[in-house]
Amino acid sequence: GAGVSQSPSNKVTEKGKDVELRCDPISGHTALYWYRQRLGQGLEFLIYFQGNSAPDKSGLPSDRFSAERTGESVSTLTIQRTQQEDSAVYLCASSPMGGHGTQYFGPGTRLLVL
Amino acid sequence: GENVEQHPSTLSVQEGDSAVIKCTYSDSASNYFPWYKQELGKGPQLIIDIRSNVGEKKDQRIAVTLNKTAKHFSLHITETQPEDSAVYFCAASPSYGGSQGNLIFGKGTKLSVKP
Repeated sequence: GAGVSQSPSNKVTEKGKDVELRCDPISGHTALYWYRQRLGQGLEFLIYFQGNSAPDKSGLPSDRFSAERTGESVSTLTIQRTQQEDSAVYLCASSPMGGHGTQYFGPGTRLLVL
Repeated sequence: GENVEQHPSTLSVQEGDSAVIKCTYSDSASNYFPWYKQELGKGPQLIIDIRSNVGEKKDQRIAVTLNKTAKHFSLHITETQPEDSAVYFCAASPSYGGSQGNLIFGKGTKLSVKP
């Protein structure tokens, strides 16, 4: 079946511009996670959705970062007024349930802020 | 909060040899420990996981061991093959915050298997 998909696969933007990153989870998965992966580093947790609500936003690095999820499906991560340090791969994962269910990752969006 | 340390950062082995990657964690309440394999340009893929009620789990050439007392867990790959070359990440899932399952990752180990 279809896995987690993310778009765009690559995004180049200028410092100060806003960007939107999209995640389409596996159908029926109620839990959705966003992570950030800087070059050569591990993954940093950003935000978790259970259904359409976000009980844990503790990983968002600043108020320039926000995310929403609609229809218990698609999620969008928005970065406002991008900075060069935002350059990274943004990964989305979905899970059939919250808690400690297996997380299935998408291919990521590679963001470069010039 | 939880902190995961992973060693080594790079590992090079000959085809057919074994590879071992070790991780330690800080939160004794963590109870779920997955391992992911990430190939270049792709998202991480789960290869094996272990929960805190068992000490060892094996799946063909891959095994994971967990020592809760010492708060460390290890990935063992036997009979390595060139296609095992990738970056491997360990992770721990802390139990605070309602057990939402967000994962805390190690920094990764780049495994190279030489033919």
